[in-house]
Amino acid sequence: EIVMTQSPATLSVSPGERATLSCRASQSISSNLAWYQQKPGQAPRLLIYGASTRATDIPARFSGSGSGTEFTLTISSLQSEDFVVYYCQQYNDWPPWTFGQGTKVEMK
Amino acid sequence: QVQLVESGGGVVQPGRSLRLSCAASGFTFNRYSLHWVRQAPGRGLEWMALISYAGNNEYYADSVKGRFTISRDTSRNTLYLQMNSLRPDDTAVYYCARGLKAGVVVTAIQHWGQGTLVIVSS
Repeated sequence: EIVMTQSPATLSVSPGERATLSCRASQSISSNLAWYQQKPGQAPRLLIYGASTRATDIPARFSGSGSGTEFTLTISSLQSEDFVVYYCQQYNDWPPWTFGQGTKVEMK
Repeated sequence: QVQLVESGGGVVQPGRSLRLSCAASGFTFNRYSLHWVRQAPGRGLEWMALISYAGNNEYYADSVKGRFTISRDTSRNTLYLQMNSLRPDDTAVYYCARGLKAGVVVTAIQHWGQGTLVIVSS
């Protein structure tokens, strides 16, 4: 089973600043990685797939990069609605489709 | 637009069974793989099961293998999760979800339902 490790667990950032979230896979997953955003009480929303492709209607301030085992989600200028939880997920080697434990982005 | 609407959650005693349903609309049902993903209170996302777009392959997390069964009814555009031998640690919000790309299993999850809460408690 591929283990996905996200860091940090909590990221404190000021509005308007850049946030950089990391996700590491225990073995290579090529570019088969997705990022999801989850707001309290809501279902997750797909942000990025294929490690770097923005999903439909996702703002350009969200970008993804990486391949193999190291991946990054960057939010270029944090808006108030971005202070929520983010998950990475691999879909290269399955089952299972594994998620990271999540990174909470909080307001500094 | 794509809609996934779960139902069937509730409070159930340990060892009992429950069947969740997910009514799908807004897309060609038999062209997409479908997942069940759960989230325990205050915890992260945990993938549970997938059924392929053709309905001929099923995959399960080790934690539910042998207890849960995923199925789909193309005539009703509905996904199911039969949960047997429920345990307190199965308590979670259960989401049904659809893959991003048609005709493949290896794809991200694009659409999610609103979730249905299952509480396993005596």
